[in-house]
Amino acid sequence: QKEVEQNSGPLSVPEGAIASLNCTYSDRGSQSFFWYRQYSGKSPELIMSIYSNGDQEDGRFTAQLNKASQYVSLLIRDSQPSDSATYLCALNTGNQFYFGTGTSLTVIP
Amino acid sequence: EAQVTQNPRYLITVTGKKLTVTCSQNMNHEYMSWYRQDPGLGLRQIYYSMNVEVTDKGDVPEGYKVSRKEKRNFPLILESPSPNQTSLYFCASSPGGKNEQFFGPGTRLTVL
Repeated sequence: QKEVEQNSGPLSVPEGAIASLNCTYSDRGSQSFFWYRQYSGKSPELIMSIYSNGDQEDGRFTAQLNKASQYVSLLIRDSQPSDSATYLCALNTGNQFYFGTGTSLTVIP
Repeated sequence: EAQVTQNPRYLITVTGKKLTVTCSQNMNHEYMSWYRQDPGLGLRQIYYSMNVEVTDKGDVPEGYKVSRKEKRNFPLILESPSPNQTSLYFCASSPGGKNEQFFGPGTRLTVL
């Protein structure tokens, strides 16, 4: 069983809409959770970190963590064409990091 | 500017020819790590280091070596590269083992 599961997509939303990205994980001992954005051929870029249950907001981005259900999600409000990228869910277990395979998001102008 | 640098950015080599990919960070981070990224498999951790002289295996360490003699540098060594090590490699650093990581620009390696 993979540590981190994401729907690979592609997910398409119209400009201005809310994009919802989801991620589930298998290890209940996971402590830190992250969302990264990766443009094609580029390195991952941190969007959000979340460490405790609930919501965390930063501008147009909201990360949600539910440890009981073992999922973490990312909402992107007012989606822009520049948000078109692959979004990686990541977590930390012990001293190791695990990444999902990413969800491809396309925002249609 | 706070950054993680990697060199070279692109490398084409042949099977069995030893190579080193350098990684350096200027943020005084304790934790450093190497990943490979392959289509359909995502980012997988190769090795990580909690601090100077402290390294440990990630999920896919076979065929790789690392060293951490200085806090800022964490080179990745392929003693005898094989075609299945053709991949996109990323170095990352973090203040600690549970914090967000910052990635270098990547090294695209092709082993013929």
